[in-house]
Amino acid sequence: AQSVSQHNHHVILSEAASLELGCNYSYGGTVNLFWYVQYPGQHLQLLLKYFSGDPLVKGIKGFEAEFIKSKFSFNLRKPSVQWSDTAEYFCAVNAGGGFKTIFGAGTRLFVKA
Amino acid sequence: NAGVTQTPKFRILKIGQSMTLQCAQDMNHNYMYWYRQDPGMGLKLIYYSVGAGITDKGEVPNGYNVSRSTTEDFPLRLELAAPSQTSVYFCASSSDGTGVSPVGPQHFGDGTRLSIL
Repeated sequence: AQSVSQHNHHVILSEAASLELGCNYSYGGTVNLFWYVQYPGQHLQLLLKYFSGDPLVKGIKGFEAEFIKSKFSFNLRKPSVQWSDTAEYFCAVNAGGGFKTIFGAGTRLFVKA
Repeated sequence: NAGVTQTPKFRILKIGQSMTLQCAQDMNHNYMYWYRQDPGMGLKLIYYSVGAGITDKGEVPNGYNVSRSTTEDFPLRLELAAPSQTSVYFCASSSDGTGVSPVGPQHFGDGTRLSIL
């Protein structure tokens, strides 16, 4: 069965620190990859997506992610986090051209001011 | 821009009661989804629909039913509420893909927080 693993359930950083959140998936074929963010009390919003082309994709609010096919990974990065980045981050995979998207368990990020 | 609208926002049910969670989108999206979100578990797909009149089961469909009579609406029904159905429920919709993907990114509603006591 397809699955998505997010390695860190909780991350605590100070402002200006660099961020990298890991995401690995288990599917050997074509994938479409997403990162969503859920700010406290709000619904999920799209941060960035990868469908094809340049494996380094840039999203909103300074976030970027790199698709490494050989490692089945799609890690999320930000060079310098802000207090307002405190949220839960979800990696999601749409595999094999199907209609279902599988979500990871999420990573809660807390940024200390 | 309304996007995806869910009602109600909060609800408390007694065991065995039934209710319908409403979801409507005004983006003319073909694809709609129902998820439940439990702490530390991410989002689990309950049911999805690829168009009016077409629905299919997701990962955790037991205890739920759906219908899709129009493009806009995708209600989720709980027939006999059980404590295990205490969760936050999110409805989402997505457009058709752009050639390399069958579906676009999902747009989520604000969620319904449901407690079964």
